[in-house]
Amino acid sequence: QKEVEQDPGPLSVPEGAIVSLNCTYSNSAFQYFMWYRQYSRKGPELLMYTYSSGNKEDGRFTAQVDKSSKYISLFIRDSQPSDSATYLCAIIKAAGNKLTFGGGTRVLVKP
Amino acid sequence: GAGVSQSPSNKVTEKGKDVELRCDPISGHTALYWYRQSLGQGLEFLIYFQGNSAPDKSGLPSDRFSAERTGGSVSTLTIQRTQQEDSAVYLCASSSNRGADTQYFGPGTRLTVL
Repeated sequence: QKEVEQDPGPLSVPEGAIVSLNCTYSNSAFQYFMWYRQYSRKGPELLMYTYSSGNKEDGRFTAQVDKSSKYISLFIRDSQPSDSATYLCAIIKAAGNKLTFGGGTRVLVKP
Repeated sequence: GAGVSQSPSNKVTEKGKDVELRCDPISGHTALYWYRQSLGQGLEFLIYFQGNSAPDKSGLPSDRFSAERTGGSVSTLTIQRTQQEDSAVYLCASSSNRGADTQYFGPGTRLTVL
């Protein structure tokens, strides 16, 4: 079993819809939670970073962490075609240095 | 400012050849990471450098893989006697301090082993 599980998709939504993405993890030592966006043939870029349970909002993006369930989510409101990309969750331990990634979910926002 | 840069962007090589991949981290970042992204395995950690400390090599898949970081800046990942299963995108990231700080990724080097 992988340490971080993420549905690979693809997830296809119409423009303006809410995109809902999630990951589950198995190790309670993970303390920092990130979402990266990766466009085709580009490196991942950080979207959201949180370290506590609850919600964190940044513009159209909301990251949600539930440590008791070992479940993290990313919501994208008012989705745009430019949001079409692969979204990767990444988790790190408190004293760790390496990111452990989910497999990524490919999202397609149709105009 | 300048982000993480990697070269070459693409590399095609023949099985059995050695390859060197280069990473220039963001200026002032003391931590540098190498990851590999392949279709079957997703994004996997390879190696981590932090300042003058001994690197964390726990993610290197075999002794054919090695990396060095000269002068606390530029890093080179070397793969000896390449195999077809080494074909992947090799990503470099840097952060200002330790791992929990934001890691900024370069565009990657796409390696194809024929």
